[in-house]
Amino acid sequence: VQLVESGGGLVQPGGSLRLSCAASGFTFSSYSMNWVRQAPGKGLEWVSYISSSSGIIYYTDSVKGRFTISRDNDKNSLYLQMNSLRAEDTAVYFCARDLRVRGTTVLDYWGQGTLVTVSS
Amino acid sequence: SYELTQPPSVSVSPGQTASITCSGDKLGDKYACWYQQKPGQSPVLVIYQGTKRPSGIPERFSGSTSGNTATLTISGTQSMDEADYFCEAWDSNPPHVVFGGGTKVTVL
Repeated sequence: VQLVESGGGLVQPGGSLRLSCAASGFTFSSYSMNWVRQAPGKGLEWVSYISSSSGIIYYTDSVKGRFTISRDNDKNSLYLQMNSLRAEDTAVYFCARDLRVRGTTVLDYWGQGTLVTVSS
Repeated sequence: SYELTQPPSVSVSPGQTASITCSGDKLGDKYACWYQQKPGQSPVLVIYQGTKRPSGIPERFSGSTSGNTATLTISGTQSMDEADYFCEAWDSNPPHVVFGGGTKVTVL
């Protein structure tokens, strides 16, 4: 199992970025996926969830209306479109595979993360 | 919204037992997970469904739950276990994932 994030970088407040997560080594279309972020020196914060077929999507309140999670099962890829970025969105963004056991989240594999810095 | 509370730090001597608690309303009903994160690395799942250990995780890691508390226990702690540990649970109202604030385990 391998998850490789890309697309991070420096962006001005109010700007946009699109993160990608390339999956390999497992049947991507069978698994739910999540984005989790970690601000510098801080703890983990869940950002968004998408079911295997994209039929169910959830977001944390602070990104609702600004971020959009999506996936392309044909390309084995997960995405996070981030608009109207704020300084508080500065973090390392991880994609994580979700085993989804008994309706609960189990993040069994994580990518290495991609750093997003929002600053002028 | 749902909250999980962990102690900021735990210290343990090599070979001794470290216990890390995670508290949240009716947490015992929510199948808590535990993740280990070493500096500069991605988190690693060490316990899921409160008590289950993924393949490849050493037997010295164990989990338990009771009422409002989940506990991660590291028996015979080794220097390599020095890391941050985060508990996590799914809350359905509204649907979202919650992480505890993390506990830094120091092996003295």
